Amino acid sequence: GAVVSQHPSWVICKSGTSVKIECRSLDFQATTMFWYRQFPKQSLMLMATSNEGSKATYEQGVEKDKFLINHASLTLSTLTVTSAHPEDSSFYICSAVVDRGYNQPQHFGDGTRLSIL
Amino acid sequence: RKEVEQDPGPFNVPEGATVAFNCTYSNSASQSFFWYRQDCRKEPKLLMSVYSSGNEDGRFTAQLNRASQYISLLIRDSKLSDSATYLCVVNKGGSYIPTFGRGTSLIVHP
Repeated sequence: GAVVSQHPSWVICKSGTSVKIECRSLDFQATTMFWYRQFPKQSLMLMATSNEGSKATYEQGVEKDKFLINHASLTLSTLTVTSAHPEDSSFYICSAVVDRGYNQPQHFGDGTRLSIL
Repeated sequence: RKEVEQDPGPFNVPEGATVAFNCTYSNSASQSFFWYRQDCRKEPKLLMSVYSSGNEDGRFTAQLNRASQYISLLIRDSKLSDSATYLCVVNKGGSYIPTFGRGTSLIVHP
């Protein structure tokens, strides 16, 4: 159980393109999902907390107008990287928590490798 | 002081060795603790939760020391397949919000 699916797994786009990444909880409901970014040989960086039915909470230094998050249902959150540039190239990973209390671990999607040319 | 600190390593050990990692956290209100492993260019996968009384899963043992604010992971009889980065994750008290350590790199060689 607790499977999280992320799509697409790999994106290569031209600079200026907007890219949407989907994160789905397949067999559970997730009020809260998280979006991370990881650059090569660096640690995971939390970008934002996605809350179903309300605005996302962004971490300091993350531009909310650049990284649009929508969490319209209990099983789907989307991250849109608007007008992507080469410096946005990274590994983007989502995670979700089963809504059974704060001692629950996160379950991660497979990640999306974004390359902007 | 960082919220969650780990020795980045790498820890380079032979097959069959026992290796231990520590992770310290700064927020005394933290309540939930986890170890994840991350393989190169892959997403993190949950290895085990860490309980107050300590817990074991096969060759892996996790322990929590609230007084000193650290958690540990012990791997016995290391396998080549254990080579990965091990991430310590601490949830803030009363919250799902996770804080990740930078990870400890383990290399098990023949």
